[in-house]
Amino acid sequence: AQTVTQSQPEMSVQEAETVTLSCTYDTSESDYYLFWYKQPPSRQMILVIRQEAYKQQNATENRFSVNFQKAAKSFSLKISDSQLGDAAMYFCAYRSGQGGSEKLVFGKGTKLTVNP
Amino acid sequence: DSGVTQTPKHLITATGQRVTLRCSPRSGDLSVYWYQQSLDQGLQFLIQYYNGEERAKGNILERFSAQQFPDLHSELNLSSLELGDSALYFCASSAEPQGFDTIYFGEGSWLTVV
Repeated sequence: AQTVTQSQPEMSVQEAETVTLSCTYDTSESDYYLFWYKQPPSRQMILVIRQEAYKQQNATENRFSVNFQKAAKSFSLKISDSQLGDAAMYFCAYRSGQGGSEKLVFGKGTKLTVNP
Repeated sequence: DSGVTQTPKHLITATGQRVTLRCSPRSGDLSVYWYQQSLDQGLQFLIQYYNGEERAKGNILERFSAQQFPDLHSELNLSSLELGDSALYFCASSAEPQGFDTIYFGEGSWLTVV
């Protein structure tokens, strides 16, 4: 079974600075997808960014980018120019590309605090 | 707003009781997922439906059941409730059941068992 590990339970960053959240995963599959979700205090799960495993180019969405290292099974999230609204729990998630196993497998999450 | 609607938002009930959580997926989405989020277990996948049919089952207890109706809304039934069932229950939906398709989450239903 696939597992997702987020080794940083909590992180903090100063407003306008850059922070990187770590995520590693374990899988024997070659076809899969990776996601970062944000969960603010409202508890809504919001998709931040996603990456297809077969694509070497790292995904970017405005201030959010990933560093995808397939061989190392690493998928870190970089948040640039951090804003107060970025404060939230961030979850890394894995989704198999094989039919019948398409659920999202989540890590335990990293709580990000943004200091003014 | 993700477009996924869950009701009720909050629910307090006693041990041994039964509750039903309801979910309306985003317009056009055929696949519905149920997740449980608790402090000790994190986000756990419960079950997935696609166009009315069960597609995948995760760590769903036998006391729990779900279904997806012809109009694509889904219900999660929780019975013989225990204190440990207290959690945030998410419904999510996607257009396709697999692949790169984005899975959108509802705001969740807070269940407190007392």
